[in-house]
Amino acid sequence: AQSVTQLDSHVSVSEGTPVLLRCNYSSSYSPSLFWYVQHPNKGLQLLLKYTSAATLVKGINGFEAEFKKSETSFHLTKPSAHMSDAAEYFCVVSDRRLSGGYNKLIFGAGTRLAVHP
Amino acid sequence: DSGVTQTPKHLITATGQRVTLRCSPRSGDLSVYWYQQSLDQGLQFLIQYYNGEERAKGNILERFSAQQFPDLHSELNLSSLELGDSALYFCASSVEGTGNTIYFGEGSWLTVV
Repeated sequence: AQSVTQLDSHVSVSEGTPVLLRCNYSSSYSPSLFWYVQHPNKGLQLLLKYTSAATLVKGINGFEAEFKKSETSFHLTKPSAHMSDAAEYFCVVSDRRLSGGYNKLIFGAGTRLAVHP
Repeated sequence: DSGVTQTPKHLITATGQRVTLRCSPRSGDLSVYWYQQSLDQGLQFLIQYYNGEERAKGNILERFSAQQFPDLHSELNLSSLELGDSALYFCASSVEGTGNTIYFGEGSWLTVV
């Protein structure tokens, strides 16, 4: 069975400092992994995705994530936080074995990122 | 803008009533998904349709039903509404299946009073 654990429910950083949002996954097979961001009263926006190509994935707004199979991790990072990064972030796993139109996403519980001046 | 359109954006209704939420997927996307986001349950997968057929079922209550029409738009019907059904309901779509990015709409806020 697949599962996703976001290790921190809340992360608080100062503007201009690095961001690290941690995610561990459990999957019997090679997964697809995603990070989505949700700003207040908005829908979910895709930040980046990993589907078995390069292990370091670059996304929008300066975010990137590294797939580490040995650690079953897919942590999200950004070198310098901006006030506009304050939002909720979701780590998501999908089973790449599925076919025939199946595409079940498993969401983590989310990490709320606060950015202080 | 993800290209996924949901209506209505906000809805307030009374307990026991029935509502229909509508979703238009991105052009060319065959799969439509419905998710429920509430404060206590987080983001929960409800159901997936692919080209008009049900593909996967999650934590969808029997009081809820969905369908995908030939033009690929989808509707989520919620009946006998309870206070606990108050939530943000997301529709999402993708081209086909696994590995494809799923694009989310901005959601329909349902408040049951």
